[in-house]
Amino acid sequence: DAGVTQSPTHLIKTRGQHVTLRCSPISGHKSVSWYQQVLGQGPQFIFQYYEKEERGRGNFPDRFSARQFPNYSSELNVNALLLGDSALYLCASSLTATPYEQYFGPGTRLTVT
Amino acid sequence: AQSVSQHNHHVILSEAASLELGCNYSYGGTVNLFWYVQYPGQHLQLLLKYFSGDPLVKGIKGFEAEFIKSKFSFNLRKPSVQWSDTAEYFCAVIPYGSSNTGKLIFGQGTTLQVKP
Repeated sequence: DAGVTQSPTHLIKTRGQHVTLRCSPISGHKSVSWYQQVLGQGPQFIFQYYEKEERGRGNFPDRFSARQFPNYSSELNVNALLLGDSALYLCASSLTATPYEQYFGPGTRLTVT
Repeated sequence: AQSVSQHNHHVILSEAASLELGCNYSYGGTVNLFWYVQYPGQHLQLLLKYFSGDPLVKGIKGFEAEFIKSKFSFNLRKPSVQWSDTAEYFCAVIPYGSSNTGKLIFGQGTTLQVKP
C-alpha cells in the first residue's frame, strides 16, 4: 500500500511569495494534519482536517491556510512568505479525527530566500 | 501550555549498550503517547504507542516504553542497541479533551548515534 505522499519534495521561494504544498493520505484515511519542522526541533502542529472540515489549528498566523478535498487529499497554503517559514512541512494522515496514530509523509523542504 | 520535554538532545552509545531516552509531558488529564523515529534520509515512523491498559508497551525493533502516570513520563528503552538504531527519536503526546484532537505535541527530539 502506498504511504502518505507529498509534493513537491523541495521548493525555493522568495520572501513575499505564495506557496502551495500538497498531500495525499493513505487510502482509507480521512484525516490529514500538517506540521512544520524547523531544523533541530520537533514538528509543530499547524492544522488538522477531517471530512473537509478544519478540526484543529495550531499557533500559526493567518498567512497559513489549508483545505481538504473530497478525495481527502489536502493543500497547505502560505502567503507572504517570510525567511522564518523555511522548514520541512510534514503531512500526516490517520483513519479518523480522534486521537489515533498518525502516519507521516516524507515532507516538503521549503527554503525562503 | 501543554508541552513535551525530552531530556537528552544527543546520545552516543556503543553497540550492545542499553538505551533509555527520557520523555516527560505537562498535561494533567488522559493522554495518548507515542514515540516516533526518523532514520537518516527517511520520514517519521511510528515506533510504539500507548493508549490504555498495560503501561509497558512494546514496539518494533525491540523497543519498549513505560508509561508512569504519576511522573508524567513515557521513557523509551532498548536493552541492546545496534548501529542501525542511529536515528532521531521523538516523543509525542495527544491530550484527551483537547479541542485539537489530532494535534500531536512533539518533544524537541533526541539524536542517537550508535558507534559500531
